[in-house]
Amino acid sequence: EPEVTQTPSHQVTQMGQEVILRCVPISNHLYFYWYRQILGQKVEFLVSFYNNEISEKSEIFDDQFSVERPDGSNFTLKIRSTKLEDSAMYFCASSEMRHEQFFGPGTRLTVL
Amino acid sequence: GIQVEQSPPDLILQEGANSTLRCNFSDSVNNLQWFHQNPWGQLINLFYIPSGTKQNGRLSATTVATERYSLLYISSSQTTDSGVYFCAVAGFAAGGSYIPTFGRGTSLIVHP
Repeated sequence: EPEVTQTPSHQVTQMGQEVILRCVPISNHLYFYWYRQILGQKVEFLVSFYNNEISEKSEIFDDQFSVERPDGSNFTLKIRSTKLEDSAMYFCASSEMRHEQFFGPGTRLTVL
Repeated sequence: GIQVEQSPPDLILQEGANSTLRCNFSDSVNNLQWFHQNPWGQLINLFYIPSGTKQNGRLSATTVATERYSLLYISSSQTTDSGVYFCAVAGFAAGGSYIPTFGRGTSLIVHP
């Protein structure tokens, strides 16, 4: 069964460093998403991506964040200058049109 | 944006008991999903159910879109059902934006 994959599973970085989180969505899906979940809290929407551009973004998705689909399979989230409060689990998801979303296993980001 | 409220926030059961989890939402939606977040943090799709009723083994779900709520039923609970259950909704808000929103979840503990 096709699934969304994410790498790395855990990323540790120093405050101020740039990180890139990678995702491979399900191959025939057209919409891609990033979410974050701070420990013990709810899952929060960051951004959705369709047809090689951002379709929606939340207030959390400020100028330090960017997304890219560098090739036909990968979808990346870049955080330019990490802060302590960026420590969270980051989930990638994909969907066929605006229907059921399938989530990857997540990347746990720890900012020291 | 759409507000999502889940109840109860916490639930403790003995193995074999049945339970009902509720998700209320503040506006019309065209996408509603139930997820189980397991102890490893993975979000497992349970149901995609913008309306109607579905069943999958010991789990079933009902969404009454006109009254803006959804229910998740767990019958004959098992210790492996422990975790957090999230409801997530999405719909076109005024202005055309489509922002997926998660509830805060119901934390379920099933004791043997």
